[in-house]
Amino acid sequence: AVQMTQSPSSLSASVGDRVAITCRASQDIRKDLGWYQQKPGKSPRLLIYGASTLQSGVPLRFSGSGSGTDFTLTINNLQPEDFATYYCLHDFDYPRTFGQGTKVGIK
Amino acid sequence: EVQLVESGGGLVQPGGSLRLSCTASEFILSSFWMTWVRQAPGKGLEWVANIRADGAVEHYLDSVKGRFTISRDNTKNSVYLHMNVLRAEDTALYYCARDLDVSDSGLWYDAYDIWGQGTMVTVSS
Repeated sequence: AVQMTQSPSSLSASVGDRVAITCRASQDIRKDLGWYQQKPGKSPRLLIYGASTLQSGVPLRFSGSGSGTDFTLTINNLQPEDFATYYCLHDFDYPRTFGQGTKVGIK
Repeated sequence: EVQLVESGGGLVQPGGSLRLSCTASEFILSSFWMTWVRQAPGKGLEWVANIRADGAVEHYLDSVKGRFTISRDNTKNSVYLHMNVLRAEDTALYYCARDLDVSDSGLWYDAYDIWGQGTMVTVSS
């Protein structure tokens, strides 16, 4: 089974900062990766699928990159509503697995 | 409003059973793969199972194989998770999610675009 290692587990940033979160897969997963945002007490929200395709309605300050084993979620010009926990999820084979999550907090 | 609503959670003793339901509103569930994801208290997300739009294909997390069964009734616009031989480690908030299963340049990707609010399952004596 593919394992996903996400880093960092948490970070502190300020409004306006650029933030990068990475996920590393235990094997080549092509571009079979999505990114989700979750706020406390809320359901997850789809941000990106296929490693780099932005879901409809998601602000353009979010972007995804990578293929193979290394992937990055970048948030430019961090906004107050972006403070949340972010998860990657591979869909290369079964079972699907999420990364451990990255909590983006306020500095 | 397009939404998913889960129900059926509760407190159950170890070894017991529960059936979770997920009903769709304002869209036809029969066109989509559907997925269950869980989240233990204070922990991350864990993919549990999914089922193809026609119900003919299912996949499971290894730790639930043989104990959980995903099913669907497209006439009721609903998907279910039948959970047997429950363990303390199954305690979690269970979400159902719609999978857009999008195609891009001939490749297909999961994209869980609609999520329910979750239903809590607590396994404890």
